[in-house]
Amino acid sequence: QKEVEQNSGPLSVPEGAIASLNCTYSDRVSQSFFWYRQYSGKSPELIMSIYSNGDKEDGRFTAQLNKASQYVSLLIRDSQPSDSATYLCAVSGSGYSTLTFGKGTMLLVSP
Amino acid sequence: EAQVTQNPRYLITVTGKKLTVTCSQNMNHEYMSWYRQDPGLGLRQIYYSMNVEVTDKGDVPEGYKVSRKEKRNFPLILESPSPNQTSLYFCASSLGDTQYFGPGTRLTVL
Repeated sequence: QKEVEQNSGPLSVPEGAIASLNCTYSDRVSQSFFWYRQYSGKSPELIMSIYSNGDKEDGRFTAQLNKASQYVSLLIRDSQPSDSATYLCAVSGSGYSTLTFGKGTMLLVSP
Repeated sequence: EAQVTQNPRYLITVTGKKLTVTCSQNMNHEYMSWYRQDPGLGLRQIYYSMNVEVTDKGDVPEGYKVSRKEKRNFPLILESPSPNQTSLYFCASSLGDTQYFGPGTRLTVL
């Protein structure tokens, strides 16, 4: 059984700070890694995907992947109150079939 | 507008009464999937479909059926719902690595 682990939070940061969200996964053959954002009562939306070791940047978001350590992270720079949401880490094997989600980390950004 | 739609959005039913939750996408995506989301358990995949007439079990398929007769539709069938299937259900479709989620169906089984 594949497992994806995240701290449930909440992670509280002040506006303008860097928020760091972490995720570990159990299946060494995992190929694809995703970060989703889910606002309360809404459906998840994809914000980042990463496939190879290293960093991937998209605006204020940076995803980091370390396959040797089975570790994925998401950094949010200049955090805004609108970033307050639950962030879900998701992992899949080759061919993008079964997607396994972590339980999510709640992020609270205070003005 | 590109979207995934689900119906109904809210449903309260009783144990044993068969129900179907519909899912439709207008993006011509081949891949579709069903998830349930429960407090403390997160999102768990029920079934997925790589294309028409091709379906496979996810992590929690027991008590559910699916069919994929057309590319755009992927209904979720509960033949005999039980209270432990009370949950928030999401349908999703994707082309490549971006999954688009429907708005969710909140199901309560009494």
